[in-house]
Amino acid sequence: DQQVKQNSPSLSVQEGRISILNCDYTNSMFDYFLWYKKYPAEGPTFLISISSIKDKNEDGRFTVFLNKSAKHLSLHIVPSQPGDSAVYFCALKTSYDKVIFGPGTSLSVIP
Amino acid sequence: EAGVTQFPSHSVIEKGQTVTLRCDPISGHDNLYWYRRVMGKEIKFLLHFVKESKQDESGMPNNRFLAERTGGTYSTLKVQPAELEDSGVYFCASSRLLGGTGELFFGEGSRLTVL
Repeated sequence: DQQVKQNSPSLSVQEGRISILNCDYTNSMFDYFLWYKKYPAEGPTFLISISSIKDKNEDGRFTVFLNKSAKHLSLHIVPSQPGDSAVYFCALKTSYDKVIFGPGTSLSVIP
Repeated sequence: EAGVTQFPSHSVIEKGQTVTLRCDPISGHDNLYWYRRVMGKEIKFLLHFVKESKQDESGMPNNRFLAERTGGTYSTLKVQPAELEDSGVYFCASSRLLGGTGELFFGEGSRLTVL
């Protein structure tokens, strides 16, 4: 049973435009929602998080939106840059500190 | 401050052999996690240590996998005997606080190839 879904395996965006990555989850046991970024041959790195009691968190070019009623999380990157090309993983944390990951979306930002 | 280190970076073994992967978390991090990524798919949770105790091992595939964390410091993940489907990249991650935001620090992974 897959609790975290990222239905777009890949996304291609022009440099300077907005990238929107989406994530859906199936139950309500999570207290934090996160995005991680991964380059080839490296481990994932933390990008941004949001508490379950909030609906938006912004950090520079990155904004995460949480819609708890829809069980939906999204990451907006604006403006997109070629260095943002990577695989982005949605991750969810329980109150017991278990962190589970989605399947990832490969983002390509075209110069 | 040193990051999470994993050894070996790549291991090639034959089916039926044994492999032990090692993870050294960031000093002072009580939480230690093992994950596996197969064929470029999802990063699948294997287990979670809090200090030397197994908090959650619900993701361990079967009893061929054994994880230990001696004295709450480094951890090992042993696969014995290895099967073809065990191939993948094994990631270790650590974090300092219980009840934190879920920000994990990952190692670069240990790629396991079982022939």
